[in-house]
Amino acid sequence: GDSVTQMEGPVTLSEEAFLTINCTYTATGYPSLFWYVQYPGEGLQLLLKATKADDKGSNKGFEATYRKETTSFHLEKGSVQVSDSAVYFCALSDQKVQGAQKLVFGQGTRLTINP
Amino acid sequence: DVKVTQSSRYLVKRTGEKVFLECVQDMDHENMFWYRQDPGLGLRLIYFSYDVKMKEKGDIPEGYSVSREKKERFSLILESASTNQTSMYLCASRTGYLNQPQHFGDGTRLSIL
Repeated sequence: GDSVTQMEGPVTLSEEAFLTINCTYTATGYPSLFWYVQYPGEGLQLLLKATKADDKGSNKGFEATYRKETTSFHLEKGSVQVSDSAVYFCALSDQKVQGAQKLVFGQGTRLTINP
Repeated sequence: DVKVTQSSRYLVKRTGEKVFLECVQDMDHENMFWYRQDPGLGLRLIYFSYDVKMKEKGDIPEGYSVSREKKERFSLILESASTNQTSMYLCASRTGYLNQPQHFGDGTRLSIL
């Protein structure tokens, strides 16, 4: 079945460092891809999405490009801030046409940014 | 903005009790979902609903049931709570259109004593 693999955490960086969180997927067809962020004590918030190959999703300085040839959707940010400390989840939508499309989540990557 | 509201942020119940977790969305979404989130296990889908009165089992439905009598409300029911159901529970909703994201509530941290 469909699956998502994220880089192991936790990841600790200094403020203003460059961030990459790797995400690769296995899926039949052409899923949509998402990054969600979860701040402490809160639910998941959609960070960005891409619906087809070569699409780039971006939001709040974060970017990810849908790479079909490498089945990847890596999250990047040029200069992280302390406020970016959170858990990040990569997800794909399954290809169900009838009924509800479900999301398949990676295991999450905990990011800590030190001042 | 989509708002998904879960009735309680924190809840403490006793073993054997019947527990209701409520979730309401305000965007007329067709699909609604219940997950539990546990350290080291990520998010696991318990049940989902693709329309009023329609429901399907997710990956871990045992010990749970759901109810969707109205489009905006999706309830998760723990028939007889057990300590291994202590967890963070997350509700989500989405439109029925293809490839749209799910929108999450803030979660209910449930402790079963």
